[in-house]
Parts: sequence; C-alpha cells; structure tokens
Amino acid sequence: QVQLVESGGGLVKPGGSLRLSCSAYGFTFSEFAMNWVRQSPGKGLEWIAYMSSSGRDIYSADSVRGRFTISRDNARRSLFLRMSSLRVEDAAFYFCARGGFCNGTGCYTTRSAMDLWGHGTKVSVSS
Amino acid sequence: QSVLTQPPSVSAASGQKVAVSCSGSTSNIGRNSVSWYQHFPGTAAKLIIFDDDKRPPGIPDRFSGSRSGTSATLEITGLQTGDEATYYCGTWDSSPSSGVFGGGTSLTVL
Repeated sequence: QVQLVESGGGLVKPGGSLRLSCSAYGFTFSEFAMNWVRQSPGKGLEWIAYMSSSGRDIYSADSVRGRFTISRDNARRSLFLRMSSLRVEDAAFYFCARGGFCNGTGCYTTRSAMDLWGHGTKVSVSS
Repeated sequence: QSVLTQPPSVSAASGQKVAVSCSGSTSNIGRNSVSWYQHFPGTAAKLIIFDDDKRPPGIPDRFSGSRSGTSATLEITGLQTGDEATYYCGTWDSSPSSGVFGGGTSLTVL
C-alpha cells in the first residue's frame, strides 16, 4: 500500500531537540522529492522544508532555518527532520508529504504539488 | 500570516456550487502552477487539484481549478455534506525558493 508513516514526535522542553522520521511504503522513494509540513493548533498548513529526490537541493522556511535540518536515506526509504533549539511556537503536528502527482501515464515528482501525505506526528514543546 | 491569501470561510447549500479564491504574487502563483488540498481534522491532507486544473485519479469532476495571473480558484459543484473540510491552495515560490500555502478556507455545506 502506498503510504507515508511519521514517527518520533513527543514532548520536549524549550531549547531541546527531536528527530522525526518518515517511512515510505509502496513506491520508489528515491524518485520523489519530499517535504515536511506542519500545522500548529488552530492554524493552517505551514511548509517547513523540501529535499529533492537525490538530496542535492534543499530549501527550508525562514521560521526554522538554522534550527531544523531535513535529510533522507534513499536506501532505507526514509525522510528525517532534525529539530534543535525548539521553541514553544514549534509545537504542531508534523507531516511528511511526497512532492509529486499521478496521472494516466504514471507518477512524477514536482515541487508544486504534494500528492501523498502521512497522518502526522505530534510535537509538543513545554517546560 | 500566509503568503497566499484565501477567505477564511465559504458556505453554500447542498447541491449548489462554491468557489474558493487564492491570491498570490508574481513570484509564486504568477510563475508556478497551483495545487489544492482537502483537509479533515486529524487526517492526512488530500491533493485534489494539481498543475492548476488537473485532478488526480479518483477525484470527482465536481472539483475543478483554474489560474489567471497571480490568482487561482477552486470550484466545487454539486456540494455534499462530505465536502465540509478545510481547503488549502499551495504552490512553489521562486523568490525565495520555498513552498507556500494559503491560510485555508473552511467550507460549510448548508
């Protein structure tokens, strides 16, 4: 079954660190760019970071740059988000999302759409 | 504050149609294709429109999208109670390079 499963969320103190993982199933992970997106309580979706299929291109939001690091291991079909210097405002559900789309001829990677999402992992930041 | 601007909420009667607007700038919608997502609380978001106006497999043709200039629109016809969700537009911003979303529009089917 084609799916993404996040893990690694939990409760951490301000200033602390956490590493999120996203495991991919049912598709060729190495062919697709990947993203991290978060949703804080009562707020909308916020894009956090992008990594191309090869890992060569990396982009991140101003709100997390210098504190969060996206990485991937194509051999293990996994995406990661290393979060450090966590702040109260980083508390959210964190989703991994595949950068791609599918049509009648197959599935392709893109930066402009996210066609497969996980159910998210919850990160709480509190003293 | 989101880079893309959406109305916070829209509503329409069951069976009717509704349009959700998404406004951006020359560096995002003006340059890159738009996607739309349907999100129910506590679940994974679902891509319903990509490349401005294309539907992924399994998405009914009641959902359609368009883009003009620096704005995009999602239209849903034949509204059903099951369509009640929050809808987000999204795209890539070329300056600075980043993904961007709208603030989300909550749809109520009366």
